Amino acid sequence: SAVISQKPSRDICQRGTSLTIQCQVDSQVTMMFWYRQQPGQSLTLIATANQGSEATYESGFVIDKFPISRPNLTFSTLTVSNMSPEDSSIYLCSVGGPANTGELFFGEGSRLTVL
Amino acid sequence: SQKIEQNSEALNIQEGKTATLTCNYTNYSPAYLQWYRQDPGRGPVFLLLIRENEKEKRKERLKVTFDTTLKQSLFHITASQPADSATYLCALDPFSTSTGGGNKLTFGTGTQLKVEL
Repeated sequence: SAVISQKPSRDICQRGTSLTIQCQVDSQVTMMFWYRQQPGQSLTLIATANQGSEATYESGFVIDKFPISRPNLTFSTLTVSNMSPEDSSIYLCSVGGPANTGELFFGEGSRLTVL
Repeated sequence: SQKIEQNSEALNIQEGKTATLTCNYTNYSPAYLQWYRQDPGRGPVFLLLIRENEKEKRKERLKVTFDTTLKQSLFHITASQPADSATYLCALDPFSTSTGGGNKLTFGTGTQLKVEL
């Protein structure tokens, strides 16, 4: 299984600011996934990040709001831009398991509170 | 529209009993379905995956069934313990095929299980 480290684990942010979340994996992976989990809700996929190409965003999520970097096969960042209280959520980084197993490994998440 | 539904009400059971959680889905035809456990403040942890051609899958005290006709999966924990208390999420990959998937999972809202002494 993959070990995934996320930073920060939590933060309190002011409205209108931006915050970058880092995700480090202990092995090389092709795809990394960013999910959001709003209070009392389930996980929603924001985007899929492949190394060397632009991230693929899901419906309802745009690059200007959630820019993603994927500089190498073990690291990715998600930025939450121009934050509003509605962005208060847990943001989770995940990677896939062995080929064709379908399972996902998750980081511990980054809990953001926007005031 | 596509939906994954899990009972949003918490399930409270006594230690030693079998807990049964339900996951229903509509307008999907996944090749497999997964179950995850999530503890407060933690990321989800993978438990089991069951494929469309498997009616039942077991792992220690866990059992999962998958009925593609009913579009339903049941998740059982036998001899439940207080340590089993957590939220359990079902998930599927809308694009999965019999030869594999892309890990692009859609999650249900989860059911909170509380096992009492």
